[in-house]
Amino acid sequence: DQQVKQNSPSLSVQEGRISILNCDYTNSMFDYFLWYKKYPAEGPTFLISISSIKDKNEDGRFTVFLNKSAKHLSLHIVPSQPGDSAVYFCAASGTGANSKLTFGKGITLSVRP
Amino acid sequence: DGGITQSPKYLFRKEGQNVTLSCEQNLNHDAMYWYRQDPGQGLRLIYYSQIVNDFQKGDIAEGYSVSREKKESFPLTVTSAQKNPTAFYLCASSIVRNYGYTFGSGTRLTVV
Repeated sequence: DQQVKQNSPSLSVQEGRISILNCDYTNSMFDYFLWYKKYPAEGPTFLISISSIKDKNEDGRFTVFLNKSAKHLSLHIVPSQPGDSAVYFCAASGTGANSKLTFGKGITLSVRP
Repeated sequence: DGGITQSPKYLFRKEGQNVTLSCEQNLNHDAMYWYRQDPGQGLRLIYYSQIVNDFQKGDIAEGYSVSREKKESFPLTVTSAQKNPTAFYLCASSIVRNYGYTFGSGTRLTVV
């Protein structure tokens, strides 16, 4: 049973435009959400996070939005750059038995020059 | 510089052999994790350890074993019982209340 879902396996956008990466979760006990970026043959690196007490967190070109009622979060990248081309993983955690990070399957973003 | 080191980067194993992947961290993190990445499967948790001399099975522990004798080290053994061992293996560490993991650069294991 997949608790963190990234239903779109890939996304292609033009350089300079907005990239929107979506993520849904099913476990209502999750209270912290993170996005990781991964290049081929490398480990994932932390990108941005959001706590369930917020609905938006911004860091430069990256903004994460959280809609708790819909159990949905999204990562916006504006403007998109070719160097953003990578696999993006959504992850979630809670407390107690849910304290480990649960990852989605990832989405491959391609930014066309 | 603090970090987490996985070795080797590439590993080849013959069918029927056990092989051990190394993971060392100098971040003073209590918790360590092993994930496996397969195309289209994302990151799946194999084993994790939140304290020395203790570890727990993750979602896909069958065919794998671990030890946590030191805080800095969390080696993963891929045994001959693992049916499909060819994959990219990632080690991570975190403070116990894991709001974020630090990942190693991974080991690509190929069974030949």
